[in-house]
Amino acid sequence: QVQLKESGPGLVQPSQTLSLTCTVSGFSLTSNSVHWVRQPPGKGLEWVGAIWSGGSTDYNSALKSRLSISRDTSKSQVFLKMNSLQTEDTAIYFCTRSRNWFDYWGQGVMVTVSS
Amino acid sequence: DIQMTQSPASLSASPEEIVTITCQASQDIGNWLAWYQQKPGKSPQLLIYSATSLADGIPSRFSGSRSGTQYSLKISRLQVEDTGIYYCLQRYSNPYTFGAGTKLELK
Repeated sequence: QVQLKESGPGLVQPSQTLSLTCTVSGFSLTSNSVHWVRQPPGKGLEWVGAIWSGGSTDYNSALKSRLSISRDTSKSQVFLKMNSLQTEDTAIYFCTRSRNWFDYWGQGVMVTVSS
Repeated sequence: DIQMTQSPASLSASPEEIVTITCQASQDIGNWLAWYQQKPGKSPQLLIYSATSLADGIPSRFSGSRSGTQYSLKISRLQVEDTGIYYCLQRYSNPYTFGAGTKLELK
């Protein structure tokens, strides 16, 4: 069955780089896109960016200068890297599969930006 | 960026009631609209896609409609398990944007 699971450090210091991994199973990264969505504690959802089935990427313009999304199809993994982290980047980060719509989601990983 | 104005922010209703949540898009997005339900500590779940299509496994008491750039989610015969926060999402153009959410509680 389709599954996605996020992993990464729970705590990151301000100005440092966040690295997250989304490991997927039950579908191919070359036939589906994977998106990242984040949710600050107690707040709403924000689309972060995507890697499409062909390998191209799209980013939220508000984050574009700090963001990179890549993948390793042999390992069924998608990677998110975001630099120059600030406290406002504290959030749950979800990865989600998309076939036009975000139909399967990971459980999310809580990332806290704090010294 | 396309703004999605969602209302109401919160809603309290009794079991078996009918409730409606709306999202107003700041520009034409066609049918590129989905609805999600999120329960505390969980990831969002797709309810409706393409404005009016019911996602797999979702009860038929959930329905979506569109009138121009206004989109609605209707829940008929409200059940206790329908509590949660509901979000709309536009997937017409980058950046994809969510509504601010509607918190649904049962009386």
